[in-house]
Amino acid sequence: AQSVSQHNHHVILSEAASLELGCNYSYGGTVNLFWYVQYPGQHLQLLLKYFSGDPLVKGIKGFEAEFIKSKFSFNLRKPSVQWSDTAEYFCAVKVDTGTASKLTFGTGTRLQVTL
Amino acid sequence: NAGVMQNPRHLVRRRGQEARLRCSPMKGHSHVYWYRQLPEEGLKFMVYLQKENIIDESGMPKERFSAEFPKEGPSILRIQQVVRGDSAAYFCASSPGYLWREAGNTIYFGEGSWLTVV
Repeated sequence: AQSVSQHNHHVILSEAASLELGCNYSYGGTVNLFWYVQYPGQHLQLLLKYFSGDPLVKGIKGFEAEFIKSKFSFNLRKPSVQWSDTAEYFCAVKVDTGTASKLTFGTGTRLQVTL
Repeated sequence: NAGVMQNPRHLVRRRGQEARLRCSPMKGHSHVYWYRQLPEEGLKFMVYLQKENIIDESGMPKERFSAEFPKEGPSILRIQQVVRGDSAAYFCASSPGYLWREAGNTIYFGEGSWLTVV
């Protein structure tokens, strides 16, 4: 069965530090990958997605992610975090079952950015 | 995306009562997903519906939980005889159909309904 692993559960960084959040997936089919962000008390917002083509994907707010097929990874990066990036980040893989598509999520990484 | 409307945002129920959570998809979207987020866990898929049809309910608990998406009106997730373990955030998402590329290859989430069972 498909699964998504996010190894960092809680990350604390100072402003301007660089960020890398790990995401590994287990899925045998064609892979479509996503990163979502959830600010406290809010809905999930799409940061970026990978469907095909260039494995380095750029998203909103300066985030990017790299799809490395050989490592089954889709790590999220940002060169310099801001206090406003404090949120929970979820990696997800799109699964096609023939009759439906759905997202399978990782357990999330809580990012805390300190001033 | 603010286009997916969920209500209530917060709901408190006593053990044994029923909880009803509603979701109105984005305009033009006919497919709805429900996810549950338990404390310290990620989002778990529950059910995928289109109007008047359940497409995939593989994530729904076998008892007490049901979902519908009638021809008219919002999708409703119903939890009967709630227990403390049902306390969670319930998120709805919508898409225009089976083909996600019709929506830019993603689905859009509502702001969630937080259920607290006391």
